[in-house]
Amino acid sequence: DSGVTQTPKHLITATGQRVTLRCSPRSGDLSVYWYQQSLDQGLQFLIQYYNGEERAKGNILERFSAQQFPDLHSELNLSSLELGDSALYFCASSVGPWGVRGGADYGYTFGSGTRLTVV
Amino acid sequence: SQQGEEDPQALSIQEGENATMNCSYKTSINNLQWYRQNSGRGLVHLILIRSNEREKHSGRLRVTLDTSKKSSSLLITASRAADTASYFCATDANGQNFVFGPGTRLSVLP
Repeated sequence: DSGVTQTPKHLITATGQRVTLRCSPRSGDLSVYWYQQSLDQGLQFLIQYYNGEERAKGNILERFSAQQFPDLHSELNLSSLELGDSALYFCASSVGPWGVRGGADYGYTFGSGTRLTVV
Repeated sequence: SQQGEEDPQALSIQEGENATMNCSYKTSINNLQWYRQNSGRGLVHLILIRSNEREKHSGRLRVTLDTSKKSSSLLITASRAADTASYFCATDANGQNFVFGPGTRLSVLP
């Protein structure tokens, strides 16, 4: 157990639907990162939050949104789902981002992922 | 495009042999990390090497970094079947988050 908890582990839904993926970071970590892993695109960075605020954005579609709550858990919302959104979605955490004491210098701790299948 | 590119894409070896994977990147970095991913599971952090370091060891793992060539290598000695996994390098080139390469799939045959 890495200490990063992701729920649900598996999700099957139809095209056009909306889903919410949840992530609880490791105790003491303030930063949360979301990654999408698909066979053809590899691991793609989506978005990063630090202590409730958006810190960096990657290749995140407009149909996707995320937030980090005061208790530091984060949710990734995926809407108007398409077949191509089928992928593994990972959450990772670190003490903080670069420039913050503790930073991300010691690597990320990943959760076990949510496998999303859009049918 | 990916900042880090692992090579080879796939590697198959016998148990007990050494496995070497390489990572090349394009722009200057502060540090580079290696992660392991067992099939369909989360990534596990293996080792981090900073730009002012040339070599680092952790158990059966040895990582080297050559900033002049913008490359790193991961050596797994005396491999075991349990080492079968995908291995990714990640670089911090954009200063905000780690960018992962496409990975090397390692198969260790008993």
